[in-house]
Amino acid sequence: DADVTQTPRNRITKTGKRIMLECSQTKGHDRMYWYRQDPGLGLRLIYYSFDVKDINKGEISDGYSVSRQAQAKFSLSLESAIPNQTALYFCATWDPNSGANVLTFGAGSRLTVL
Amino acid sequence: QKEVEQNSGPLSVPEGAIASLNCTYSDRGSQSFFWYRQYSGKSPELIMFIYSNGDKEDGRFTAQLNKASQYVSLLIRDSQPSDSATYLCACMEYGNKLVFGAGTILRVKS
Repeated sequence: DADVTQTPRNRITKTGKRIMLECSQTKGHDRMYWYRQDPGLGLRLIYYSFDVKDINKGEISDGYSVSRQAQAKFSLSLESAIPNQTALYFCATWDPNSGANVLTFGAGSRLTVL
Repeated sequence: QKEVEQNSGPLSVPEGAIASLNCTYSDRGSQSFFWYRQYSGKSPELIMFIYSNGDKEDGRFTAQLNKASQYVSLLIRDSQPSDSATYLCACMEYGNKLVFGAGTILRVKS
């Protein structure tokens, strides 16, 4: 099983619909992140969480919300999806105490908003 | 706004040549720098990280850091077609947040 699992992998929805992207991890890391990737723009940080009670906005949090249900689960919600939220979304985890200096990414969730 | 800049490419090199990928960053407080490789439709994977000025080598890859010039580079020796991918440069901000550049597309021609 993958260390960081994202569901769904692909989703097509319509403008105005509520969408939730889910992320779960088996690495036991406290820190979890949501990024979106658009062609030519690299990865941009949406939200990040250091533990269940610590959630922070990234550079592009407008139109998104998150929930850290447990150490292992971090969900991203689009309350009312719009076409410019069409993108590839990545969840990632990190344990700064591991010494590995590696941000571990999930496989990505491709979202299309029509 | 803190930024990480990369030439989008594509950078085309022949098989066996050295590929040189460059990155500049705006935040002088950044201390850690990372290179990720991303194949089309896949998630990024870490190639190298570097903290200190100078060079760091790992196999065919060499990362170079010049903090005075706010410049990071990645050299790939003996480039292979399998190295064809997008290379993302990233800088560490407070809170273990990685700020990514837009990426450089590398094409290695056999």
